[in-house]
Amino acid sequence: GAGVSQSPSNKVTEKGKDVELRCDPISGHTALYWYRQSLGQGLEFLIYFQGNSAPDKSGLPSDRFSAERTGGSVSTLTIQRTQQEDSAVYLCASSLAIPSGQFFGPGTRLTVL
Amino acid sequence: RKEVEQDPGPFNVPEGATVAFNCTYSNSASQSFFWYRQDCRKEPKLLMSVYSSGNEDGRFTAQLNRASQYISLLIRDSKLSDSATYLCVVNHGGSQGNLIFGKGTKLSVKP
Repeated sequence: GAGVSQSPSNKVTEKGKDVELRCDPISGHTALYWYRQSLGQGLEFLIYFQGNSAPDKSGLPSDRFSAERTGGSVSTLTIQRTQQEDSAVYLCASSLAIPSGQFFGPGTRLTVL
Repeated sequence: RKEVEQDPGPFNVPEGATVAFNCTYSNSASQSFFWYRQDCRKEPKLLMSVYSSGNEDGRFTAQLNRASQYISLLIRDSKLSDSATYLCVVNHGGSQGNLIFGKGTKLSVKP
């Protein structure tokens, strides 16, 4: 079946612009997660959604970052007023429930000039 | 102490060798443990969950030691295709869905 998909695969933007990253989880997966990974670094947890519960936003690095999950499926991660330090690969994952193993999308490589 | 610590390696082993990785975690309240592998410039892929009693999947064996707060991964009969970075993953004690990823141990299997 279809895996987790993310779009765009690459995004180059100028400092100060807003960007939106999209994630389509595996159908039927109730949990959805966002991470980011800088070059040569480990994954950094950002936020997760589980069903209709309030999301765990404890990993968001600043109030410039926000995420939504509409209809329990597609999610959008928004970064406002991007900074150069936001450059990273943003990875989305989904899982059938919590806790269980996560399936990752291919990521969006964000470059802020 | 970092939440999840791994030896970064690299571990360079010949084909057919047995290799073991350890990972330590700091939060005694953690309940969920996983191993992932990540190939260069690719997304992580779930390798296996780690259960209290230890578990095996083919050539891979995972073990958990709650008293010492570490998990291990043993790979037998290494293949060239096992070359990757192996990520230890532990849930944040206060949040089941907040998974903490180690920085990974790099394995290189040589012919």
